[in-house]
Amino acid sequence: DQQVKQNSPSLSVQEGRISILNCDYTNSMFDYFLWYKKYPAEGPTFLISISSIKDKNEDGRFTVFLNKSAKHLSLHIVPSQPGDSAVYFCAASGSDYKLSFGAGTTVTVRA
Amino acid sequence: DSGVTQTPKHLITATGQRVTLRCSPRSGDLSVYWYQQSLDQGLQFLIQYYNGEERAKGNILERFSAQQFPDLHSELNLSSLELGDSALYFCASSPIAAAPDTIYFGEGSWLTVV
Repeated sequence: DQQVKQNSPSLSVQEGRISILNCDYTNSMFDYFLWYKKYPAEGPTFLISISSIKDKNEDGRFTVFLNKSAKHLSLHIVPSQPGDSAVYFCAASGSDYKLSFGAGTTVTVRA
Repeated sequence: DSGVTQTPKHLITATGQRVTLRCSPRSGDLSVYWYQQSLDQGLQFLIQYYNGEERAKGNILERFSAQQFPDLHSELNLSSLELGDSALYFCASSPIAAAPDTIYFGEGSWLTVV
């Protein structure tokens, strides 16, 4: 049972434009949400997170938005750069700190 | 380089066989996690150890087992392998048993069962 879903397997965006990645979850007990970035032949690396007490967290070009009522979060990358081309995983955890991951979205930034 | 070392990087084996995947956590990290990523799937949490003790269990099959040794390295044992066990197996480590944003992943071990 997939509790975290990323419905877009891929996203192509022009360099300099905004990338918006979406993620939906079903478990209302999740209270911490994270985005990971993964390059080929490497493990996922932590990118940004947000607690359920917030609705927005910003770190440089990366902003995560959380809509608890809709059980939806999104990652905005502005402006997109060629080095942002990677697979992005959405993840969520509850009080047990076990991470549930989405299937990932492959982002391609076009020059 | 995350500091988490996994061996082997690639492994091809036949159905019915048994394999062992090894993980060395980052220096000082007490917690080790194992995840499985099958084709087009997200990472599935298998099991977590903290300082040698099993801390949490996910969707780990009975054919799979893991342990964390006194030197904190961990091994994931997969037995009676089936074609569907072909996947990328990630190990991750963190300083403590909580705080998901402190988890660092290794590069993974590719297992192909033929």
